[in-house]
Amino acid sequence: GAGVSQSPSNKVTEKGKDVELRCDPISGHTALYWYRQSLGQGLEFLIYFQGNSAPDKSGLPSDRFSAERTGGSVSTLTIQRTQQEDSAVYLCASSFLSSGRSDTQYFGPGTRLTVL
Amino acid sequence: AQSVSQHNHHVILSEAASLELGCNYSYGGTVNLFWYVQYPGQHLQLLLKYFSGDPLVKGIKGFEAEFIKSKFSFNLRKPSMQWSDTAEYFCAVTSNTGKLIFGQGTTLQVKP
Repeated sequence: GAGVSQSPSNKVTEKGKDVELRCDPISGHTALYWYRQSLGQGLEFLIYFQGNSAPDKSGLPSDRFSAERTGGSVSTLTIQRTQQEDSAVYLCASSFLSSGRSDTQYFGPGTRLTVL
Repeated sequence: AQSVSQHNHHVILSEAASLELGCNYSYGGTVNLFWYVQYPGQHLQLLLKYFSGDPLVKGIKGFEAEFIKSKFSFNLRKPSMQWSDTAEYFCAVTSNTGKLIFGQGTTLQVKP
């Protein structure tokens, strides 16, 4: 079946602009996660959705970052007033069961964000 | 705070050599452990996982890992490496909320 998809695959933006990154999870997966992969910081958790609610937002680096999920499916990560340090690959993952901890997460291909 | 530490950041091996990548975690509760692999130009894929039961788990492509609770370790092994195993390898543990906490990653280069 179809895996996790993300769009766009690449995004180049100017400092100060807003960007939106989209994630389509595997159909039926109730849990959705956003991570960030950068050279200096490795793979970092950003936010977790269970259905449409986000019980864990602890990884969002600043209030410029926000995310939402609608219909228990598609999620959008928004970065306002982008900064150069926001440049990274943004990864989305989804998992099937609601318990979270014991589930395998399946990753999308990521969106490479470059802030000039 | 939960953390994962991978001992080797950059490893170079010749084909047919054996591999062992170290991974230690810090977490007080019941753990679920993972190794993910990222081949050049591809997305993260699950290599293997441990939830419970037999502490020796086998994954894809001949990889295996052993969970040693007393040592808080989950080392990855493969007896004979292939050039196609060149990739970045990540050890990870899940927290109570299910988020993955990753190690720093190991860049593995297998020379033909």
